[in-house]
Amino acid sequence: NAGVTQTPKFRVLKTGQSMTLLCAQDMNHEYMYWYRQDPGMGLRLIHYSVGEGTTAKGEVPDGYNVSRLKKQNFLLGLESAAPSQTSVYFCASSYLTSGRRVFFGPGTRLTVL
Amino acid sequence: AQKVTQAQTEISVVEKEDVTLDCVYETRDTTYYLFWYKQPPSGELVFLIRRNSFDEQNEISGRYSWNFQKSTSSFNFTITASQVVDSAVYFCALRNSGGYQKVTFGTGTKLQVIP
Repeated sequence: NAGVTQTPKFRVLKTGQSMTLLCAQDMNHEYMYWYRQDPGMGLRLIHYSVGEGTTAKGEVPDGYNVSRLKKQNFLLGLESAAPSQTSVYFCASSYLTSGRRVFFGPGTRLTVL
Repeated sequence: AQKVTQAQTEISVVEKEDVTLDCVYETRDTTYYLFWYKQPPSGELVFLIRRNSFDEQNEISGRYSWNFQKSTSSFNFTITASQVVDSAVYFCALRNSGGYQKVTFGTGTKLQVIP
């Protein structure tokens, strides 16, 4: 099992460019999450999904969109990147059953110039 | 709304000292789950422990121990006889139950163990 994988690992964008981060999991998890990690801010939830075709907003959703067309994939989109979106992005997944631990991907380091 | 507070931003200890990392949480749920994750300098997030709200027994795993107290809404983590390999950022997290289950993280405590 590959677990949770993220593509790409690193990316540099110019302000205003768009991009999509791809997250894939092979554990048949219902829940998937996107977090961003910034110094001193911990992990903040951007969006999450409770199943195929269903998404919900987290703490910091502005400037991002997500889609979950297939159960194993969760895409995070930046339509018009801004320097404030420079961060490390982590994807995570979990079973639906309450209390199950969250599995994390390796992270994507994004720099917006 | 749920919230996790890790008031200690950075802690430095000398190797072999004991250290406790504090975690205080807020939730309206009666059933919830608490977690600790470790993030070493390499950047990945490593799961350490899960505790549900009905189980207030302390847990010990080798040099690690966890003290869960519902009365003070705290879930503290102690490392005994710290080692340099324990240097990392440690995150406490809270997962609600029922409905849409969000997992909320604290801001993390950076632990530096000095040889």
